Amino acid sequence: RKEVEQDPGPFNVPEGATVAFNCTYSNSASQSFFWYRQDCRKEPKLLMSVYSSGNEDGRFTAQLNRASQYISLLIRDSKLSDSATYLCVARYNFNKFYFGSGTKLNVKP
Amino acid sequence: EPEVTQTPSHQVTQMGQEVILRCVPISNHLYFYWYRQILGQKVEFLVSFYNNEISEKSEIFDDQFSVERPDGSNFTLKIRSTKLEDSAMYFCASSGPPGTSGVNEQFFGPGTRLTVL
Repeated sequence: RKEVEQDPGPFNVPEGATVAFNCTYSNSASQSFFWYRQDCRKEPKLLMSVYSSGNEDGRFTAQLNRASQYISLLIRDSKLSDSATYLCVARYNFNKFYFGSGTKLNVKP
Repeated sequence: EPEVTQTPSHQVTQMGQEVILRCVPISNHLYFYWYRQILGQKVEFLVSFYNNEISEKSEIFDDQFSVERPDGSNFTLKIRSTKLEDSAMYFCASSGPPGTSGVNEQFFGPGTRLTVL
């Protein structure tokens, strides 16, 4: 059973496009959620935490739907530099984190 | 900007040998983690460590693995008898301090690529 599931993509979009990723989690006891980005052969880097009320950071908006157990990430006005793999992460118990397999985004000029 | 560092960047070892991977977390962080990522696969949680003891571990983290904070700055992962399937990128991460939103926000090191021959 996969704790966190994501569409692997790739999502190929032109610069300036809006793109959305979804992620589902299986354990309703999950406490906190995050989006990370990972560039090829690099470490994951925190993009944003996901709050129940939804939150926005510049061009990025994250939403959490606990009833349906999914998290979303919306990227507006895509830049070439947004090309990466986006990882959905759920925290369980005190300090145990499950990563999804990631969704690959390619932003084309 | 403070960062997590890891050494070595690449470790090659023979099957059955012991390896120690080293990490220096961000100095005011109190939560420490090890993850692994097999090439082309997802990041997998191994263990979290707080207050000088393991707080969570995954099914992967069996008796072959151990962690230690030998001094005030280093955090190590030891694999006692490496197997071929231990070949992966191993990431260290840290977060904190406690009582703040930063406790959930992990910062990752650049990783150690372990190759077991």
